[in-house]
Formats: sequence, structure tokens, C-alpha cells
Amino acid sequence: AQTVTQSQPEMSVQEAETVTLSCTYDTSESDYYLFWYKQPPSRQMILVIRQEAYKQQNATENRFSVNFQKAAKSFSLKISDSQLGDAAMYFCAYRAYSGAGSYQLTFGKGTKLSVIP
Amino acid sequence: NAGVMQNPRHLVRRRGQEARLRCSPMKGHSHVYWYRQLPEEGLKFMVYLQKENIIDESGMPKERFSAEFPKEGPSILRIQQVVRGDSAAYFCASSPRPQGAYEQYFGPGTRLTVT
Repeated sequence: AQTVTQSQPEMSVQEAETVTLSCTYDTSESDYYLFWYKQPPSRQMILVIRQEAYKQQNATENRFSVNFQKAAKSFSLKISDSQLGDAAMYFCAYRAYSGAGSYQLTFGKGTKLSVIP
Repeated sequence: NAGVMQNPRHLVRRRGQEARLRCSPMKGHSHVYWYRQLPEEGLKFMVYLQKENIIDESGMPKERFSAEFPKEGPSILRIQQVVRGDSAAYFCASSPRPQGAYEQYFGPGTRLTVT
């Protein structure tokens, strides 16, 4: 079974600075998807960024980028120029690429990010 | 295009009562997933449904929990004889297809409190 581990329960960053959230995962598959979701106090789950494992290039979305190390099974999220609105829980998630199954998302336990003005 | 709708947003039940949680997927989406989030935890998969079919219920507790997604109307997650341990946030997500690069779009969740 796939597992996703987020080893940082809480992180903080000064406004306008850069922060990196860590995520490791375990799978025997060679093709899969990885996601970072943001959950603000409203509890709405918002997709931040997505990475296809077969793509070597790291995904970027404006101020958000990932460092995907497939051999190390590591998938970290970098937030640049942090803003107050970035304060939230961040969840790393894994999803199978194909084959039998329901393509369910497997989530880590999350990292609570605080942004200091 | 309206997002995934869930209702109620908050539900309070006494121990032993039944809880019914509803989820209307995004227009054009026929694949629905239910997840549960316990306090201080990530989301855990419960069940995956297509219209009129349960495809994967490997994450559902064996007793008291059931789910359906009828041909017409919302998907329903039903919890019979609720216990305090059922208190959690329940999220529904939908997608147009399960595989490929399709995103699962989440609803706002239903927070169930069992007293």
C-alpha cells in the first residue's frame, strides 16, 4: 500500500520569505501523480500544484514550485514570496496512474503553515 | 459552473441516531469519492462510486456505513447508529474520469458532531 509522510507538523515563515514543505512517499509503482492541497481555516480543499511522475521537469504554479526527486521518493513544495493568505494546512497526496483500482488519493497528515507579518 | 456541493455543512447527532450526508458533484462529473478527516489528521479515503455503482469501498468501515450514488440526485453517505468516534469532517470529491491527469474537485465538507 502507498504511504505519504509529512514530517513537519508545523512550519512558520516571515511574510515575503520562502519556505519549503517536505513530503516523502512510498510506492512500488513507476507511474503516478503527486499533489499538494491547501486547506485554509474554511476547510475547503484547494489544489495547489500537481506533478506527473513520468515528467522529469518540476511543476510550477506562480509562487509555488515543487522539487520532485523520484529516486528518493521525495516531493517538496516551495512557496516563494509568502503572503498572509498562504497560511493554511498543506497536504501532500499520491494517486495511482492507471490499472485496477479507484485512483483514490492517499494523503499525508499535513503541515500547518503560519505566515508572520 | 457550480462546484461540488455538500449539505448540510454542519450536522449534530446524538449517539444512536442516523446521519445522512449529501454530495452533488460538479456538472458533467460522474465519479464521486468520499473521504473522512479526523481531527489533526489528513483525509482518508472511504468509498468511490460511479452512477448506480460502488466501485471501491475498501476504506469504509464494515458496519453502520453505506453509500450510494443513484441515477438521479446526489450521492449519499449514510451512517447508522452514530458513535462519538464518527465525529469528523466528511469530504466529497468528484471528477469527470478517475484516471489520467483529472483533478478531484472537493466540496466544502460536512462536519459531523456526535454528542
